[in-house]
Amino acid sequence: DADVTQTPRNRITKTGKRIMLECSQTKGHDRMYWYRQDPGLGLRLIYYSFDVKDINKGEISDGYSVSRQAQAKFSLSLESAIPNQTALYFCATAGGTGESYNEQFFGPGTRLTVL
Amino acid sequence: QQQVKQSPQSLIVQKGGISIINCAYENTAFDYFPWYQQFPGKGPALLIAIRPDVSEKKEGRFTISFNKSAKQFSLHIMDSQPGDSATYFCAASTSGTYKYIFGTGTRLKVLA
Repeated sequence: DADVTQTPRNRITKTGKRIMLECSQTKGHDRMYWYRQDPGLGLRLIYYSFDVKDINKGEISDGYSVSRQAQAKFSLSLESAIPNQTALYFCATAGGTGESYNEQFFGPGTRLTVL
Repeated sequence: QQQVKQSPQSLIVQKGGISIINCAYENTAFDYFPWYQQFPGKGPALLIAIRPDVSEKKEGRFTISFNKSAKQFSLHIMDSQPGDSATYFCAASTSGTYKYIFGTGTRLKVLA
């Protein structure tokens, strides 16, 4: 089984709809992240969490919210989706030991299209 | 000051050739510089990383060269193979922040 899973993998929705993207991990990591990937813009950080009670905004948090339901679960919500939120969304985790402490492990991504 | 500038945006290399991707940064507080590799339909995965106390790190055919005074680092892929065709991202981080700033990515295509 994959260490970092994201659901759904693909989603098409309409402007104004509320959307939730979910991320689960079995790595036992404390740190979790949400990124969006756009062509030519790379990966940009939306929100990050260092434990269940610690949630922080990233560089592009406007229009998004998150919930850390448990150490292993971190959800991203778009309260009212708009077309420019069409992108590939990645969840990542971090918190290994030794040399891998800084390494971020990414899920397979969710492709979101907002019409 | 927080940006990491990556070039080129795309790169085509013949099989057996050397692929070179460059990144530059401004923030001198950055002290961890990873490279991530992403295949189509997959999430990025760590390829190799370097800290500024060394000027070069090599793992197999992949080498990071680091120039602290110029605030630049680069990824060299020796003997490039079609299986290396992917998108490569450089990143930078400051100890204790546990956040990366990613470059904009380079799409590499290695021709057979």
